[in-house]
Amino acid sequence: GAGVSQSPSNKVTEKGKDVELRCDPISGHTALYWYRQSLGQGLEFLIYFQGNSAPDKSGLPSDRFSAERTGGSVSTLTIQRTQQEDSAVYLCASSSQGAVGQPQHFGDGTRLSIL
Amino acid sequence: AQSVTQLGSHVSVSEGALVLLRCNYSSSVPPYLFWYVQYPNQGLQLLLKYTTGATLVKGINGFEAEFKKSETSFHLTKPSAHMSDAAEYFCAVTKTGNQFYFGTGTSLTVIP
Repeated sequence: GAGVSQSPSNKVTEKGKDVELRCDPISGHTALYWYRQSLGQGLEFLIYFQGNSAPDKSGLPSDRFSAERTGGSVSTLTIQRTQQEDSAVYLCASSSQGAVGQPQHFGDGTRLSIL
Repeated sequence: AQSVTQLGSHVSVSEGALVLLRCNYSSSVPPYLFWYVQYPNQGLQLLLKYTTGATLVKGINGFEAEFKKSETSFHLTKPSAHMSDAAEYFCAVTKTGNQFYFGTGTSLTVIP
C-alpha cells in the first residue's frame, strides 16, 4: 500500500533488552515523526526529521532512546536497556512539507510490551 | 509552548444524536488545526483540518469543525451519530509544521 508502514506490529521483550522499531514513510514525504502513546494518554512527541536537517530530538525522554533516518526515507527508533515504563504504542507519521499545515499520515503503530 | 485541551475524556451519545467534541488551544498566533480519529489498534486518521480561509471546515464521515479565534476553539461536531463513529478523537495544532501538539483525546461511545 501507499501508507506509512511500521514493523513489527507487536513486540514483547524482557526488561533490559534493546529493541528496534522501524518506520517506512510515504514515498516522497520529507518529514517524519515518532510519537509514544501510553494507555489512556495522548500522543507524546519524541523526535522529528525533516529532509537532511538535523533532527529535533527535544522529545526523547532519556538517552536510552535514539532514532535515525537513512537516506531520507526509512527510520529506526531504538530503545536501549528497556524498562517497564517504556511499554506503549509507538506511532510513526510522515508528511509532505510542500506547504505549512500539511497533515500527518500515521502508521498503525508498534505495540511494545516490556516484561 | 502551545497546548491543546480536550474537555471530556469520555463522551457518550445516543445513535442519531448530535456529537460535540471540544477542543481549545493556547496560542498567541492562530495555528493550523486538525482533528484525527483513532480506531482500536490503528494509527490516527485525518478527519479535517483548518489552515486558512473559511472557518467552518467539513471533513470526512459527516464531521465538521468551526475555528473560533475569539474563543481559541476548534470544536468537532456531527449532526447525527452513527455506531461506526465510536472511536478516540484527537485535536492537534501546529504553527510551523515542525512540531504538532496533540490533546489527550476524547473517547466517543455511541449508544444504540
